[in-house]
Amino acid sequence: DAGVTQSPTHLIKTRGQQVTLRCSPKSGHDTVSWYQQALGQGPQFIFQYYEEEERQRGNFPDRFSGHQFPNYSSELNVNALLLGDSALYLCASSLVGSGGAGNEQFFGPGTRLTVL
Amino acid sequence: GEDVEQSLFLSVREGDSSVINCTYTDSSSTYLYWYKQEPGAGLQLLTYIFSNMDMKQDQRLTVLLNKKDKHLSLRIADTQTGDSAIYFCAELPGYSSASKIIFGSGTRLSIRP
Repeated sequence: DAGVTQSPTHLIKTRGQQVTLRCSPKSGHDTVSWYQQALGQGPQFIFQYYEEEERQRGNFPDRFSGHQFPNYSSELNVNALLLGDSALYLCASSLVGSGGAGNEQFFGPGTRLTVL
Repeated sequence: GEDVEQSLFLSVREGDSSVINCTYTDSSSTYLYWYKQEPGAGLQLLTYIFSNMDMKQDQRLTVLLNKKDKHLSLRIADTQTGDSAIYFCAELPGYSSASKIIFGSGTRLSIRP
């Protein structure tokens, strides 16, 4: 079991560009959540996808959008990049109804995005 | 509102116990978590406690929950150099079956010889 995987590992973009980050959930999981972790901060919830639809959204502008595919993998898209978008972007997967630790979310290693 | 607060730094001597404290604000939180993040790595769920419990022990880890004061603590017994990391307190608000997790800013634990 590969666990949650994310690509790319690192990315450098310039202001105004667009970026797409990818996430493959842990085998058997059906829900993907995305978090932004700025330097020295805790992760902030961006949104969550289940059954290919956005189920819940945090306090992020519409420049942040996402998608979930039939195989449960997911993409995070950020348009019109700002310097403040520089952060570690974490993907977490879970299985609805699995019980336990509130449907435990398993995190990937993240994608480090730098906006210049 | 949603806010989780924890102290930024903690330094302990190897072999001593570490106690990391956290306060949260959402009284409807069902699960409270402790995550560990090592440099260059993602988040690892260390332990969690359900809101109707006041203590949970798992090997070297002890979690205490004071629901009245909305206070959560993590005690690591016999702290080792491998415990050096950032520890995040987090809560799962409400009763959603799969909802967003609210994280604190993290406590950086350093171990001195």
